Amino acid sequence: AQKVTQAQTEISVVEKEDVTLDCVYETRDTTYYLFWYKQPPSGELVFLIRRNSFDEQNEISGRYSWNFQKSTSSFNFTITASQVVDSAVYFCALRGGNRDDKIIFGKGTRLHILP
Amino acid sequence: DVKVTQSSRYLVKRTGEKVFLECVQDMDHENMFWYRQDPGLGLRLIYFSYDVKMKEKGDIPEGYSVSREKKERFSLILESASTNQTSMYLCASKKGGGASYEQYFGPGTRLTVT
Repeated sequence: AQKVTQAQTEISVVEKEDVTLDCVYETRDTTYYLFWYKQPPSGELVFLIRRNSFDEQNEISGRYSWNFQKSTSSFNFTITASQVVDSAVYFCALRGGNRDDKIIFGKGTRLHILP
Repeated sequence: DVKVTQSSRYLVKRTGEKVFLECVQDMDHENMFWYRQDPGLGLRLIYFSYDVKMKEKGDIPEGYSVSREKKERFSLILESASTNQTSMYLCASKKGGGASYEQYFGPGTRLTVT
């Protein structure tokens, strides 16, 4: 069975601090896809990144970076120099390689950036 | 840009009413999904559709039905609303044909059943 665990339910940091959101996944598939979504207070989930299981390169996009490690089944997300606008709920998700596979979401981490 | 719209942001209905939640996407996506989101439970899949006229049960289909008569529109129906269906409902769409494609979400409908 596939599973996504986001152990941090809620995190608070002061603006300009770096913060890492953890994501650990379980799957028996050799081909799979990992995603991160952001849900700001407005409610709409916004897609941030997709990573496939064959690509372990870390990704950086501005202040955001993602560390994918198959050895530890983790796909962690770091925000550098956090800003108040980063306050949101962040979801990690997993989908198997079959086109009919459903996406499995973690329960989310609520991030508070304090001014 | 992909756009997924939902008919209402907020909705208040009475117990026993029939409720329709509408979702429309404008990117010609084959796949569409309905989720509910509750505190502490994350997102749970109610129903999904791979294409027009097709529907599949998700993890929590009880008390819900769906309709997909046109490719761009996916409706969620609460046949007889109950208070335990008070929740945030999120619609999503995705390009078909591959597992790698990401889902795009609508803004959500916060439904209160009294």
